Amino acid sequence: QVQLAESGGALVTPGGSLRLSCAASGFIFIDYYMNWIRQAPGKGLEWVAYISSSGNVIQYADSVKGRFTISRDNAKNSLYLDMNSLRAEDTAVYYCARDRQVYTSSQFDFWGKGTLVTVSS
Amino acid sequence: AIQMTQSPSSLSASVGDIVTITCRASQGIRNDLGWYQQHPGKAPKLLIHTASSLQSGVPSRFSGSGSGTDFTLTISSLQPEDFATYYCLQDYSYPRTFGGGTKVEIK
Repeated sequence: QVQLAESGGALVTPGGSLRLSCAASGFIFIDYYMNWIRQAPGKGLEWVAYISSSGNVIQYADSVKGRFTISRDNAKNSLYLDMNSLRAEDTAVYYCARDRQVYTSSQFDFWGKGTLVTVSS
Repeated sequence: AIQMTQSPSSLSASVGDIVTITCRASQGIRNDLGWYQQHPGKAPKLLIHTASSLQSGVPSRFSGSGSGTDFTLTISSLQPEDFATYYCLQDYSYPRTFGGGTKVEIK
């Protein structure tokens, strides 16, 4: 069965850096576009970043552009989010999610359980 | 960026009620819209894709409609497990944008 498992969340001070990982299993990872979505405490969902199946097409939300980098290692069935210059407003649960259809952008049919990032001094 | 305006932000309903949630896009998005359900502390779950297609395994009491800028999620007979927060999401263009959410509470 499809499984996505995020890791790497932590408490970090403002201006700091963090790398999140998402381990995928139960499907052919290289066939699917992947995403990061976040949810601040008590708030709604915010899409953060997207990467195509080969990794050659990437998109970011304006709120993280220039600070966050999405990447993937298809040999390791893993998705990553490198976060730099972290701010208090980046505090959130971060989810990785899979696009529903192969080789195209669509809705997100499988999500991980999320990992909490807290940015505070 | 396309703005998704969802309404209402919250509603109270009873088991067996019909519930309708709407989402309006700031520009036309064809039928590139999905609906998600989220229970507290859990990841969102895809209910509807392409505006009106039921995701596999989702009960038939959930339905979606609309095209262009106006979309609706309907729950035909609210069940206890349906008390949750619902979000719309446009996948017409990047950046992807979610609606603000609708919390469905027990009356």
